[in-house]
Amino acid sequence: GAVVSQHPSRVICKSGTSVKIECRSLDFQATTMFWYRQFPKQSLMLMATSNEGSKATYEQGVEKDKFLINHASLTLSTLTVTSAHPEDSSFYICSARAPRTTNYGYTFGSGTRLTVV
Amino acid sequence: GIQVEQSPPDLILQEGANSTLRCNFSDSVNNLQWFHQNPWGQLINLFYIPSGTKQNGRLSATTVATERYSLLYISSSQTTDSGVYFCAVEGSGGSNYKLTFGKGTLLTVNP
Repeated sequence: GAVVSQHPSRVICKSGTSVKIECRSLDFQATTMFWYRQFPKQSLMLMATSNEGSKATYEQGVEKDKFLINHASLTLSTLTVTSAHPEDSSFYICSARAPRTTNYGYTFGSGTRLTVV
Repeated sequence: GIQVEQSPPDLILQEGANSTLRCNFSDSVNNLQWFHQNPWGQLINLFYIPSGTKQNGRLSATTVATERYSLLYISSSQTTDSGVYFCAVEGSGGSNYKLTFGKGTLLTVNP
């Protein structure tokens, strides 16, 4: 239980284009989802908290106009990297907190490796 | 915000050896989890352990919340145990629930 699916797993795009990444909770409802970014050989850094039906909360230093987050339903959050540049190349991972009754804590998608050329 | 420190940053073992990874955190927590990140980047949830002790096969974990640390034990290590181990915590202060990660321990198990 408490599975989060993330798609696509890998994407290569041209500089200046936009890329959308989807994160779905498959067997539970998630009013809140989280988006992380991980550079090579580094830890995960929280970018933003996605709230169903309201605006996302961005961490300090994260450009909200660059990383658009939409959480239109209780099972889907999307991250759109707009006007991507090579420095946006990274590993993006989404997460949701499983229902507290499950004792699973936070569960993570399999990640999206973005390469901007 | 809450600080999470993991040690050691790197660890090299021979297959069959045992190891202990440590996670210190700076404040009280609602949640603490240990993850293994495989070579493809997938985060595998090893333990949800805000307090107490749990065991799962060759792995076990102990969190002493009052002293603000957690330990992950790996016994009879195998080459497939290689990868990065992360400790992540959710602080109990405030209403903004989120996970904060440590920098990880890179474990290499040699045959």
